[in-house]
Amino acid sequence: DVKVTQSSRYLVKRTGEKVFLECVQDMDHENMFWYRQDPGLGLRLIYFSYDVKMKEKGDIPEGYSVSREKKERFSLILESASTNQTSMYLCASGSNGRDGLNQPQHFGDGTRLSIL
Amino acid sequence: DQQVKQNSPSLSVQEGRISILNCDYTNSMFDYFLWYKKYPAEGPTFLISISSIKDKNEDGRFTVFLNKSAKHLSLHIVPSQPGDSAVYFCAASPTTSGTYKYIFGTGTRLKVLA
Repeated sequence: DVKVTQSSRYLVKRTGEKVFLECVQDMDHENMFWYRQDPGLGLRLIYFSYDVKMKEKGDIPEGYSVSREKKERFSLILESASTNQTSMYLCASGSNGRDGLNQPQHFGDGTRLSIL
Repeated sequence: DQQVKQNSPSLSVQEGRISILNCDYTNSMFDYFLWYKKYPAEGPTFLISISSIKDKNEDGRFTVFLNKSAKHLSLHIVPSQPGDSAVYFCAASPTTSGTYKYIFGTGTRLKVLA
């Protein structure tokens, strides 16, 4: 089974702090994603990466950055945390699959981040 | 602008009956669709998918129907079980080639009553 592991289930930080959320996958997937989930808004894509050291902005990248130095690890960084970044953060990974056909993304269990 | 819409925030169904969850989309470039199930305090779990070359895909108790002309898909669960109680998200992708980004709906909370 695919395993996507997020380093923390719950995290409490203060406004202005630099926050790191870590995600590791064990299936050698090319693609990795960071989402946030908010009530009434569903899952919204923050950033994704389709290869080591490559990154693409998602739909809501403002206030965030990412790092992918190794294939299995994708980090989300809040440069200066603000209260509106309090949310559930979900990491996902996915393969290009054989013949480039679409493959489902697999999710970690999420990090509930509170910014005080 | 919500490209993928789940207009019913919640749904209650009796155990053993059919659950029908609906999803509408606006972008005609979407050609791969998925349903995910999410329990509290867990990440979403992939349930079933369908590409635009099909109009139906079945996996056990779960069937997804796609109506491209109406830009509508639905998930049928038959028979519904209490363990199916969860939030269901539909998602759409603009390509069948590669794991490109998905656009998710806002979710429907299904409650199956025993």
